[in-house]
Amino acid sequence: AQRVTQPEKLLSVFKGAPVELKCNYSYSGSPELFWYVQYSRQRLQLLLRHISRESIKGFTADLNKGETSFHLKKPFAQEEDSAMYYCALGEGDYGQNFVFGPGTRLSVLP
Amino acid sequence: NAGVTQTPKFQVLKTGQSMTLQCAQDMNHEYMSWYRQDPGMGLRLIHYSVGAGITDQGEVPNGYNVSRSTTEDFPLRLLSAAPSQTSVYFCASSSGQNTGELFFGEGSRLTVL
Repeated sequence: AQRVTQPEKLLSVFKGAPVELKCNYSYSGSPELFWYVQYSRQRLQLLLRHISRESIKGFTADLNKGETSFHLKKPFAQEEDSAMYYCALGEGDYGQNFVFGPGTRLSVLP
Repeated sequence: NAGVTQTPKFQVLKTGQSMTLQCAQDMNHEYMSWYRQDPGMGLRLIHYSVGAGITDQGEVPNGYNVSRSTTEDFPLRLLSAAPSQTSVYFCASSSGQNTGELFFGEGSRLTVL
């Protein structure tokens, strides 16, 4: 059973609109959750991690243990946000083995 | 900054052939891993290594071998390629300090006919 789910394969929004990319997980312990992003013709890279409680490029994500969710949000989408977004759960002794969700492609329309 | 370098970027194999995907990193990272990316399934961990001489299996190890003779290199070997191994393969490394940041290579697209 998939432990990280992202229900939307594709999400299209207009520039300036709010965006929310959904992520749900199943994990018995205390989860470490991350969002990775892959822009066109670029490498997959870390966007943000829940433990840092940071905002990167205007994106935030809050871990909701009750709903087992880690949704990624941005109040005003920009065209340069168009990319593939992966939610990931860290596990293993080093916390470096990741279980990735299937990904959501965000398309921000002009 | 080279970071994580994967070769080749593209490869076409026939069923039964063997090949090695190369991965090298110049960041002195202890942790290295291989993932495969398939449509609708995200990235799945094949094998990983926490240091030279140490390797372990991930979620989908069957049909693949790895070795880690140096800190820098972590090759992935396909012993007898099958069409089910058609995928995009990513090598990634990390300092292993539990920061959650994996550094990825550009990917290798493999097609098995």
